Amino acid sequence: DAGVIQSPRHEVTEMGQEVTLRCKPISGHDYLFWYRQTMMRGLELLIYFNNNVPIDDSGMPEDRFSAKMPNASFSTLKIQPSEPRDSAVYFCASSRQSSPLHFGNGTRLTVT
Amino acid sequence: SQQGEEDPQALSIQEGENATMNCSYKTSINNLQWYRQNSGRGLVHLILIRSNEREKHSGRLRVTLDTSKKSSSLLITASRAADTASYFCTPFGNEKLTFGTGTRLTIIP
Repeated sequence: DAGVIQSPRHEVTEMGQEVTLRCKPISGHDYLFWYRQTMMRGLELLIYFNNNVPIDDSGMPEDRFSAKMPNASFSTLKIQPSEPRDSAVYFCASSRQSSPLHFGNGTRLTVT
Repeated sequence: SQQGEEDPQALSIQEGENATMNCSYKTSINNLQWYRQNSGRGLVHLILIRSNEREKHSGRLRVTLDTSKKSSSLLITASRAADTASYFCTPFGNEKLTFGTGTRLTIIP
């Protein structure tokens, strides 16, 4: 079991650029969650999917953020255009129904 | 959505001592989960306690749950330097798992 795999591990970009974060969940898990963590706001749930369908995106900060899950083994979180206040660590997690979450090691995003 | 609120926000103890963290929540739950986060890493699941359970043990961890008070506690016995981390509780009532700001535990060698 390789665990949840996120890429890249670090991303540094300039304000206004498009950023794409990637996540490969654990095989067989039917739930996928995207979280953002900052010192000021803690760990925020952005969006989650069940069987590749977005269920709740109420945590997505604004229209600049979008997430997709084209198949059971891949999800992306895109920010376009990026802003300095988007700087944070972004985590992806997956699970089976009613089971604990398995987190990836996150993508540290810095927008200058 | 519901999330747990951990208390205290920070805790420093000597190695070998016991550490107790508390969690409060507001709504009904199916289970409550505790996670640990080491610096720079993702959260790791520690223990899950179901709503019909009152106490659960796993190694040096002991979790209690009082659904009448909507509270839980995590006890780490005989602490080690490697226990230095942030600890989060999350009440699970439906599919959505949200987290508070956690308790930052520092073990002093």
